[in-house]
Amino acid sequence: EAQVTQNPRYLITVTGKKLTVTCSQNMNHEYMSWYRQDPGLGLRQIYYSMNVEVTDKGDVPEGYKVSRKEKRNFPLILESPSPNQTSLYFCASSPTPQLAGFPNEQFFGPGTRLTVL
Amino acid sequence: SQKIEQNSEALNIQEGKTATLTCNYTNYSPAYLQWYRQDPGRGPVFLLLIRENEKEKRKERLKVTFDTTLKQSLFHITASQPADSATYLCALAQGGGKLIFGQGTELSVKP
Repeated sequence: EAQVTQNPRYLITVTGKKLTVTCSQNMNHEYMSWYRQDPGLGLRQIYYSMNVEVTDKGDVPEGYKVSRKEKRNFPLILESPSPNQTSLYFCASSPTPQLAGFPNEQFFGPGTRLTVL
Repeated sequence: SQKIEQNSEALNIQEGKTATLTCNYTNYSPAYLQWYRQDPGRGPVFLLLIRENEKEKRKERLKVTFDTTLKQSLFHITASQPADSATYLCALAQGGGKLIFGQGTELSVKP
């Protein structure tokens, strides 16, 4: 089954304790992206990757890191989480865009609900 | 920077009626615009993509229009059903790989 998987689905942690949220897709998509969703603020892009070893900042990259060492995986790293990073996180992937630089339809994962105390 | 605005208030309609959702944008001319559906606690699901040279696109009971002069897209659901109740998001690409989403409009279809 074609899908985007995220782990963990739920995580409660404490301020400053490094964590990684994994994202994997089995559709051979080149484009992958991380979003956070907060009430009243909608879905905001954190980082995206248009291909292996290519990553770029979205609108809210502060406090996050990503890596794209292989096509299928795009982990999100919080080196020192803070309470303002409590949010619902979504990973998404997308096939090669027909128009360079303009992402196609996004296939979203199920989400990771993170609470930082 | 690019800004997208969707109806902030929830839309309540009666079953069988047509729901119309609005997406307005500023400061940019996107090559295309996307619409998604999101159910509570779940990831958005892609519905339709419309390009700047397309005035209208249809998929079953869904219709999207794209007016680049008004900088607006309208999303219509005809013969709406309670199962259509969800939050609908529009998104546009800024170029360079960035994708920005509107805040979404919550639709509630009453039987």
